[in-house]
Amino acid sequence: GAGVSQSPSNKVTEKGKDVELRCDPISGHTALYWYRQSLGQGLEFLIYFQGNSAPDKSGLPSDRFSAERTGGSVSTLTIQRTQQEDSAVYLCASSLAGQINQPQHFGDGTRLSIL
Amino acid sequence: DQQVKQNSPSLSVQEGRISILNCDYTNSMFDYFLWYKKYPAEGPTFLISISSIKDKNEDGRFTVFLNKSAKHLSLHIVPSQPGDSAVYFCAASAGSGGSNYKLTFGKGTLLTVNP
Repeated sequence: GAGVSQSPSNKVTEKGKDVELRCDPISGHTALYWYRQSLGQGLEFLIYFQGNSAPDKSGLPSDRFSAERTGGSVSTLTIQRTQQEDSAVYLCASSLAGQINQPQHFGDGTRLSIL
Repeated sequence: DQQVKQNSPSLSVQEGRISILNCDYTNSMFDYFLWYKKYPAEGPTFLISISSIKDKNEDGRFTVFLNKSAKHLSLHIVPSQPGDSAVYFCAASAGSGGSNYKLTFGKGTLLTVNP
């Protein structure tokens, strides 16, 4: 079956512009996660959605970052007024539910480059 | 501060030999651990996990060992194959807490298996 799909796969934009990154989770997965991997670093948790519950936004690095999940499926991560330090690979994952014994399945990521 | 540490950025082994990837953690609340494998330009793929109530979990060629007193875990791959060449990430969760979905990742170890 189809895995987690992310678009675009690459995005290059100028500093100060806004960007939107999209994630289509695996069908039937109620839990959705966004991570960021900066160069030479591990994955950094950003935000978590579970069904219709309020998201856990505790990992968002600043108020320039926001995310939404419409209809419990597709999610969009928005970065406003991008800065060079936002350059990273942004990864989306989904799982059947937000339980640790249900592994998170990752998309291939969006490589974001801020000029 | 880094709560999950993979101190070896890279490891090179011969095909057929054992690969041992190490991971140390500092947060005593972590009680569930996972290993992910990542190929270039792809998202991480779940490999194997272990709960803190166990000290070993085996799945085919992959075995994870957990030493809670030392806050150390390791992934053994026997025998190693060229297709195992990838970056391996160690991740941890405070599984019994309310936010057990939140994974903390190490920086990864690049494994190269030489034919």
